[in-house]
Amino acid sequence: EDQVTQSPEALRLQEGESSSLNCSYTVSGLRGLFWYRQDPGKGPEFLFTLYSAGEEKEKERLKATLTKKESFLHITAPKPEDSATYLCAVATNAGKSTFGDGTTLTVKP
Amino acid sequence: EAGVAQSPRYKIIEKRQSVAFWCNPISGHATLYWYQQILGQGPKLLIQFQNNGVVDDSQLPKDRFSAERLKGVDSTLKIQPAKLEDSAVYLCASRTLNTEAFFGQGTRLTVV
Repeated sequence: EDQVTQSPEALRLQEGESSSLNCSYTVSGLRGLFWYRQDPGKGPEFLFTLYSAGEEKEKERLKATLTKKESFLHITAPKPEDSATYLCAVATNAGKSTFGDGTTLTVKP
Repeated sequence: EAGVAQSPRYKIIEKRQSVAFWCNPISGHATLYWYQQILGQGPKLLIQFQNNGVVDDSQLPKDRFSAERLKGVDSTLKIQPAKLEDSAVYLCASRTLNTEAFFGQGTRLTVV
C-alpha cells in the first residue's frame, strides 16, 4: 500500500528563520511527487512537481528536493505570508495518488 | 483562465439526510477528481473520472456515496444517507495529461 508521511505536523518559525519540511514515501512505481500549499478555507494550490531522484525545483523562498525515499521542502528566510499548510502527494505509474496529512507552518513576525 | 468552481461552499444537514455537491472543472480538463478532506488530514481520493468514465472509485463508500460526470464536463457527488463521520471538506480537482491538478475551494459539509 502506498504511504506518505509528512513531518513535523506543525512548525513555528520566526520571520527569517530557515527550515525544512519532510515528506517520506513508500510507493510502487513513482510517477511524480507533488507539493501543494493550502490556506485555511481554500483548496490546495500547486507548487512543484518532482519526477526523479536528484531533481530540485525553486520558487521564491521555496526549494523542493527529491531522493528515492523522501522529499524536502526548504524554506529560506520565511515571511509571515508563507504561513500555510504544505501538502505532499505522490502519483504512481498505475495512476493512483496519495496525499500526506501536511505540515502546518506558522511564521511569526 | 477560470478555475474549478464548486457549490455550495457550505452545507449543514442532519444525519440520515441526503446532500449533493456540484463541480465545474476547468474547460478542456478531461480528468476530474473528488476528494474528502477531514480536518487535520490530507485529501483522500474518493473517485477519479477520465472524461465521463470512472477510472478509480476504490475508496468511495458505494453504499452511501455516488458520483456522476455527465457529458464529461460537470460532476455531482451525492451522499445518501449522511452520517456524522461524513463531516469534511469535499474538494473537486481537474487536470489535463500535461498539467498538475487544479483544486476548487471545496464544500464544507457539517452533519449534525
